[in-house]
Amino acid sequence: AQTVTQSQPEMSVQEAETVTLSCTYDTSESDYYLFWYKQPPSRQMILVIRQEAYKQQNATENRFSVNFQKAAKSFSLKISDSQLGDAAMYFCAYRSAFHQGAQKLVFGQGTRLTINP
Amino acid sequence: DGGITQSPKYLFRKEGQNVTLSCEQNLNHDAMYWYRQDPGQGLRLIYYSQIVNDFQKGDIAEGYSVSREKKESFPLTVTSAQKNPTAFYLCASSLGPYTDTQYFGPGTRLTVL
Repeated sequence: AQTVTQSQPEMSVQEAETVTLSCTYDTSESDYYLFWYKQPPSRQMILVIRQEAYKQQNATENRFSVNFQKAAKSFSLKISDSQLGDAAMYFCAYRSAFHQGAQKLVFGQGTRLTINP
Repeated sequence: DGGITQSPKYLFRKEGQNVTLSCEQNLNHDAMYWYRQDPGQGLRLIYYSQIVNDFQKGDIAEGYSVSREKKESFPLTVTSAQKNPTAFYLCASSLGPYTDTQYFGPGTRLTVL
């Protein structure tokens, strides 16, 4: 079974600075998807960024980018120019690309990000 | 506006009662999912449905039931058999059952009194 590990329960960063959240995963599959979701105090899960394992290029969405290291099974999220609105719980998630098992997201425990003004 | 709605936002239940959580989507998505979130943890899959009139158990289905009579709707019933139902419940949908991205509703907080 796949597992996702976020080793940083909490992180903090000064406004306008850059922060990197870590995520590692364990799988024997060769094709899969990885995601970062943000959960603000409202508790709705919001998709931040996604990465397809067969793509070597790291995904980028505005101030958010990932460092995907397939061999190391690492998928970190970098937030540049941090803003107060970035404060939230961030979850790393894995989804199989194969039909068997593709139905669910496997989540990490989350990292609580605080932005200091 | 296209999206996923869940109701109610907060729900209180007495022990021994069944309660139904609503999930509706107007995204024309085929697949829908129910997840449970406990404090300090990630989400765990309860049930999913790939198509109307079909649904499958997830990792923690015991004490829960679902139906999928319409494409837009995927209600979750928390039965009295669920030993520890107090949690935050999130509904999600995706375009197809094997489509990679799932989008989430705002969630329902269930508290058993």
